[in-house]
Amino acid sequence: GEEVAQTPKHLVRGEGQKAKLYCAPIKGHSYVFWYQQVLKNEFKFLISFQNENVFDETGMPKERFSAKCLPNSPCSLEIQATKLEDSAVYFCASSPGRHSYNEQFFGPGTRLTVL
Amino acid sequence: QKEVEQDPGPLSVPEGAIVSLNCTYSNSAFQYFMWYRQYSRKGPELLMYTYSSGNKEDGRFTAQVDKSSKYISLFIRDSQPSDSATYLCAMINFGNEKLTFGTGTRLTIIP
Repeated sequence: GEEVAQTPKHLVRGEGQKAKLYCAPIKGHSYVFWYQQVLKNEFKFLISFQNENVFDETGMPKERFSAKCLPNSPCSLEIQATKLEDSAVYFCASSPGRHSYNEQFFGPGTRLTVL
Repeated sequence: QKEVEQDPGPLSVPEGAIVSLNCTYSNSAFQYFMWYRQYSRKGPELLMYTYSSGNKEDGRFTAQVDKSSKYISLFIRDSQPSDSATYLCAMINFGNEKLTFGTGTRLTIIP
């Protein structure tokens, strides 16, 4: 597709429940990025993929967060045992290739609310 | 101290005014500088990117980078109500693909 697609738009979970978010990058883009936007527009980088391989996971809270990008499937971000502070909008972005610094295209985001 | 500092505003200006938005940064390794626009409940949309110090113009938008002062600006001329949004600066290290964002400035253009 020509746009980054993210599902679901909204997700509500009770504290301790699992949450799974999906991202379909633009067709032909080999890099996928996940960002977390919390209150006051604070963006935090979580993880990036080059095709199905993890490229940079320095932002991931590894004890509860995991992510995958498998061939012929949407990428996913999973949060085990959600906490209140996980409430945020999660954005996925894709870019055509390495050094395409100017070309990270963002999806519409998934708003996660943890109660 | 945050790597990228941006005044959160809010900033309200009358239609037709020139808008100036600014960010400062502390990491000398940042090489690429971007400005994104984000409408409410939407994803960020890339407006402009620059690499070297100096000015870059695109229509009503001008991006300015001063690497010696670690300071970047975005100017919007002849501002329109449709420019009302949150403007985020973002930066990247060379060789490191992840964006480091400012906190965003919320801008309202009053008709």
